[in-house]
Amino acid sequence: DAGVIQSPRHEVTEMGQEVTLRCKPISGHDYLFWYRQTMMRGLELLIYFNNNVPIDDSGMPEDRFSAKMPNASFSTLKIQPSEPRDSAVYFCASSLGDRIYNEQFFGPGTRLTVL
Amino acid sequence: AQSVTQPDIHITVSEGASLELRCNYSYGATPYLFWYVQSPGQGLQLLLKYFSGDTLVQGIKGFEAEFKRSQSSFNLRKPSVHWSDAAEYFCAVGAYNQGGKLIFGQGTELSVKP
Repeated sequence: DAGVIQSPRHEVTEMGQEVTLRCKPISGHDYLFWYRQTMMRGLELLIYFNNNVPIDDSGMPEDRFSAKMPNASFSTLKIQPSEPRDSAVYFCASSLGDRIYNEQFFGPGTRLTVL
Repeated sequence: AQSVTQPDIHITVSEGASLELRCNYSYGATPYLFWYVQSPGQGLQLLLKYFSGDTLVQGIKGFEAEFKRSQSSFNLRKPSVHWSDAAEYFCAVGAYNQGGKLIFGQGTELSVKP
């Protein structure tokens, strides 16, 4: 299995531009999570999906952030417009099953820099 | 509200020495507890997890952790550290009624001296 795939691995953009991060979960997994990692705030859960449906988006910082999961094998996290404080590493993770003890498998992350 | 505290931001140990990374949690019921490791430039990898039963759990790469309810702790240990263990370690807590949602600690960065 290829694991969770994220693209791009690095993104540098200018303030005000739209940024789209992509994630392909492990085939067959029915939960997908988006996290953000910064020095100041650590690892934060932004949103998670079950069977392509958003379940909890309480971690999404503001309306500039949106996430979609059009099908079981693809999800996007969009920031529009981007701001320098959005600079962070964004991780996608997936898991199988509805039990908390099911392991979340993390992708390698996308390092976003907003100038 | 659930929370996780990792008191040590950075720890340095000599290769071959023992290691203990601290984790304290706040949760009203029996927690589900995890330790993840993040190598530089990589995503997080699960080391071990605790849900119930034996309070001493074994994980991958020779790590173990002990759940102590009285101290609200779930410390990670390894008897002999290898240089390849240098990484960042995250403790996390989850709730049985919140799907897969995990709350992570701030992480502890481990450096290993030769």
